Amino acid sequence: QKEVEQNSGPLSVPEGAIASLNCTYSDRGSQSFFWYRQYSGKSPELIMFIYSNGDKEDGRFTAQLNKASQYVSLLIRDSQPSDSATYLCAVNPDRGSTLGRLYFGRGTQLTVWP
Amino acid sequence: DAGVIQSPRHEVTEMGQEVTLRCKPISGHDYLFWYRQTMMRGLELLIYFNNNVPIDDSGMPEDRFSAKMPNASFSTLKIQPSEPRDSAVYFCASSSGGRLGATFGSGTRLTVV
Repeated sequence: QKEVEQNSGPLSVPEGAIASLNCTYSDRGSQSFFWYRQYSGKSPELIMFIYSNGDKEDGRFTAQLNKASQYVSLLIRDSQPSDSATYLCAVNPDRGSTLGRLYFGRGTQLTVWP
Repeated sequence: DAGVIQSPRHEVTEMGQEVTLRCKPISGHDYLFWYRQTMMRGLELLIYFNNNVPIDDSGMPEDRFSAKMPNASFSTLKIQPSEPRDSAVYFCASSSGGRLGATFGSGTRLTVV
């Protein structure tokens, strides 16, 4: 399995704060990067994807990608207690016409306290 | 859209028995994945199919595991014989083209006693 590393946490932030989640990956040629959210006892749910270096914003979420440093991050602004979950970083290492596999990190557990 | 449908939701079986997990992907999706999630190892890719053809089964832990996709709307993951260390949550996921990520089913929680 390709290496995708995340801090396991737990990460604890107060309501309204910015939560910062980080991920590094080993395959320099990886093309696509994803963030999934998984509530306890539930299945992973896709919340963001990013392909190009830089920032991508979607509501309160911002994904950041730095391919030179092999680093992906997720920022959650104005964190809410409902954001409390495990966040999984996923990387698609495939190139060209074969685009499919996702390798996941172990996840970072986020707790947002009121 | 009903999403990815997995059955059963829970399975408890005795060591040595055959277990079959089932998955119906989202209609129109051309990729199907089987993942296993445990506390120790996280979410592991077992095998994936593209247009019903197995592309990479390097994640299948042993010959006891096998997967099939006889048509675009159905896939099975079989474990024979099952062992206690196979206890995990097994997820099926599907995607269109792969670049937009995958949608997961609700999972099957397997307990082998």
